Amino acid sequence: GQNIDQPTEMTATEGAIVQINCTYQTSGFNGLFWYQQHAGEAPTFLSYNVLDGLEEKGRFSSFLSRSKGYSYLLLKELQMKDSASYLCAGLDSNYQLIWGAGTKLIIKP
Amino acid sequence: DAGITQSPRHKVTETGTPVTLRCHQTENHRYMYWYRQDPGHGLRLIHYSYGVKDTDKGEVSDGYSVSRSKTEDFLLTLESATSSQTSVYFCAISRGKGRDEQFFGPGTRLTVL
Repeated sequence: GQNIDQPTEMTATEGAIVQINCTYQTSGFNGLFWYQQHAGEAPTFLSYNVLDGLEEKGRFSSFLSRSKGYSYLLLKELQMKDSASYLCAGLDSNYQLIWGAGTKLIIKP
Repeated sequence: DAGITQSPRHKVTETGTPVTLRCHQTENHRYMYWYRQDPGHGLRLIHYSYGVKDTDKGEVSDGYSVSRSKTEDFLLTLESATSSQTSVYFCAISRGKGRDEQFFGPGTRLTVL
């Protein structure tokens, strides 16, 4: 079956760095997405990886290892506004997104 | 921000009644999606559309139907609402299928009593 696993909740301190992991099992693989969702709001796109390696976008970076079925989202210089859920989603061979349940990130001062 | 709206934003209804949710976009994107989001679950695809009058089922399509008569509008209908359909419903749009990012509407919170 197809599955996306990510931790349910994480806590980090303002100004620190946090890594949110995601493992995936999909029928075929056409890339992996990360979305951010603030409480009560819609998800918004953060990143898309289809090749192995690290892609950096400002304070946020996303990493992919296709051989390990693994990705992570790295958030640096954490700010209170980064408190949100982070959704990992894998794109299968039919180009359908398989979504994880999301990781709720709590930032403490 | 992508121009995508949903109506209504909140609805409370009774078991057995039909309900229609509307998604409207001003981006002229080809693909439109309906998802539901429940605690402890990821977003689950209900139906999607790849053009006017072209729709297909997603993972949790039972009890739902959709229609797309115009590029900009995608309707989701619950034929006879049940309490298990209490959820937050999101519409999303994308230019192409798969690798293109999806833009989400603000969501509709539906409560079925």
